[in-house]
Amino acid sequence: GEDVEQSLFLSVREGDSSVINCTYTDSSSTYLYWYKQEPGAGLQLLTYIFSNMDMKQDQRLTVLLNKKDKHLSLRIADTQTGDSAIYFCAERLGGSQGNLIFGKGTKLSVKP
Amino acid sequence: DAGVIQSPRHEVTEMGQEVTLRCKPISGHDYLFWYRQTMMRGLELLIYFNNNVPIDDSGMPEDRFSAKMPNASFSTLKIQPSEPRDSAVYFCASSQGTVYNEQFFGPGTRLTVL
Repeated sequence: GEDVEQSLFLSVREGDSSVINCTYTDSSSTYLYWYKQEPGAGLQLLTYIFSNMDMKQDQRLTVLLNKKDKHLSLRIADTQTGDSAIYFCAERLGGSQGNLIFGKGTKLSVKP
Repeated sequence: DAGVIQSPRHEVTEMGQEVTLRCKPISGHDYLFWYRQTMMRGLELLIYFNNNVPIDDSGMPEDRFSAKMPNASFSTLKIQPSEPRDSAVYFCASSQGTVYNEQFFGPGTRLTVL
């Protein structure tokens, strides 16, 4: 079945770049998303990319999509302590308006 | 806008009791989703509605779980009878059904079944 895989933990120093990686299995995915979850809160959409794009940049965030390898990454430039959170990769299945498949999340810890 | 509202925020109950979780989506959103989050399984979609109609309930774990959406501004997720393995954080999310379909999540209900 469909699956989204991501590493569980990442630790970086403040000011460094963070790169969170994700692989997915459904080649018909139309949109891919990065959501952020802060402690005790629900998920918030950070950014998304349409499947016919290779890259999307939004301020400190850069999303790279390699559709051939089904690999998605999120780069956070100049990582701050406020970026500490869990980051979820998600794919929207082709033909589905509602169904998102989420990865288990990558916990990013930013050390001062 | 107040965002997606869920109640209660925390629920502690004993095994065998009925539990009802409530959700008010963002006004004007026509999709509503119920998710369950656990350490072991991550975030799982349980069911989603479009215009108050259930579209996909394949994620509902078993008959003890039921969800309703009697109108556009209210949904419930009921567990009867509850079991300790139902302990999790339950999220409700809503979306407008736009092209990229951003889902807006509520703060979640942390359920503990003793």
